[in-house]
Amino acid sequence: GQSLEQPSEVTAVEGAIVQINCTYQTSGFYGLSWYQQHDGGAPTFLSYNALDGLEETGRFSSFLSRSDSYGYLLLQELQMKDSASYFCAVSQGFQKLVFGTGTRLLVSP
Amino acid sequence: NAGVTQTPKFQVLKTGQSMTLQCAQDMNHEYMSWYRQDPGMGLRLIHYSVGAGITDQGEVPNGYNVSRSTTEDFPLRLLSAAPSQTSVYFCASRGWGQETQYFGPGTRLLVL
Repeated sequence: GQSLEQPSEVTAVEGAIVQINCTYQTSGFYGLSWYQQHDGGAPTFLSYNALDGLEETGRFSSFLSRSDSYGYLLLQELQMKDSASYFCAVSQGFQKLVFGTGTRLLVSP
Repeated sequence: NAGVTQTPKFQVLKTGQSMTLQCAQDMNHEYMSWYRQDPGMGLRLIHYSVGAGITDQGEVPNGYNVSRSTTEDFPLRLLSAAPSQTSVYFCASRGWGQETQYFGPGTRLLVL
């Protein structure tokens, strides 16, 4: 089996930095992904970590520690359009992607 | 490329009816998956496929059937709909060796 834990909701103000954590328990771990989903829309890919360390893509960064079964998504210079749900997902044996329950991010002016 | 397409966008069924949710992708991806999304439950994997003729069960497969006769299509069948299957259904695909999974726009299903 597998389980992924992430906070249900995070709030922040425009221009701030926010970190969304994800802890997981799984077998056959290949990597950790992050997806963004706006209300009424489909999830879209943000980042992927297969190895320990930090991956940076513009304002978004993602971190993985395989030994701690832990990762996080870091969002910098928050904008109103960043208000969305963020999901971590574990690749099991590569072909199978299992998602967490999601973190709702609310960005206020 | 159209990416991942799903039909219908909305559907209302009565308990016991059957239907097929269609999913197609034009990116020649090997991997395709079906998820359902319920409030507070995130995305749960129903079935997935690693290529034509090969399917496997995900976390919540009961009440659903799939087949993969071509690389492009991956339909999801509800044999006898139940109110518990009211949800938003997403189809997704991913290419061999690729990290990015692409999602379709979703099908909103209401079972009365």
